[in-house]
Amino acid sequence: AQSVTQLDSQVPVFEEAPVELRCNYSSSVSVYLFWYVQYPNQGLQLLLKYLSGSTLVKGINGFEAEFNKSQTSFHLRKPSVHISDTAEYFCAVSAINTGGFKTIFGAGTRLFVKA
Amino acid sequence: NAGVTQTPKFQVLKTGQSMTLQCAQDMNHNSMYWYRQDPGMGLRLIYYSASEGTTDKGEVPNGYNVSRLNKREFSLRLESAAPSQTSVYFCASISTRGSWGELFFGEGSRLTVL
Repeated sequence: AQSVTQLDSQVPVFEEAPVELRCNYSSSVSVYLFWYVQYPNQGLQLLLKYLSGSTLVKGINGFEAEFNKSQTSFHLRKPSVHISDTAEYFCAVSAINTGGFKTIFGAGTRLFVKA
Repeated sequence: NAGVTQTPKFQVLKTGQSMTLQCAQDMNHNSMYWYRQDPGMGLRLIYYSASEGTTDKGEVPNGYNVSRLNKREFSLRLESAAPSQTSVYFCASISTRGSWGELFFGEGSRLTVL
C-alpha cells in the first residue's frame, strides 16, 4: 500500500518570493510521483511527474521538483511565485499492482500568493 | 476533444435516495477512476477499473458501487445516499501512452445530500 503526506496545509508567500511545498510518501513497491494543481472551481491538471532518470524534474509554469529516494520525498519548488500561482497543489503517488495503475493523493497544500 | 465528461455537474439528494454519476472518456484509455474531494482531505480513491470488465476498491468504497459499462464509460452509484457522501466527485482516466501515468480529470460533480 502507498500513502502520501503533504506537510503543510497552507503556505502564504509574497509575490516574487521562492516557495517550497513539501511531500513525503511511503510505499512497499516502486512508485511514480506527480504534482497536480487545482485552480478554484476547476479540475486538476498535471504540473510535473517523476517516472525515472534524473531526480530533478521540471514542469509547467516554472515549477520543479526533486525526487529523494532515501528521504522518500518529492518536494515542489518555484524560485519566484506570481499571484496567478495561487491554487491548491496535490502530491500524488502511483504504483502498479494486480488491480492496475493506482494513484493516491495527499491532502493538498493551499498556496496563497500575496502582493 | 472532450476528454473526460461527467454528468450531472450538480445534484441535490435527500437522505436515502439513490443516484448514478456518469463518466465517459474519449481518449481510448484502459483505466478509469472515481475520486471524492473533501476540504482538508485531498482526493480519496473510491473505486477504479484497470480495464473493461474489472473493478477494484480504493480507499473509501463503502456506500458506493461502480459499473464499467464498456471501455469508454465508468459509472458510480449511490444506492442510499447519506449526508457523509456530500462531496465533489471526480472521474479520471489514465494515459499509458504519450503522457504516461498522467490522470485526466473531468470537471467534477458536486453532490449535496440533505
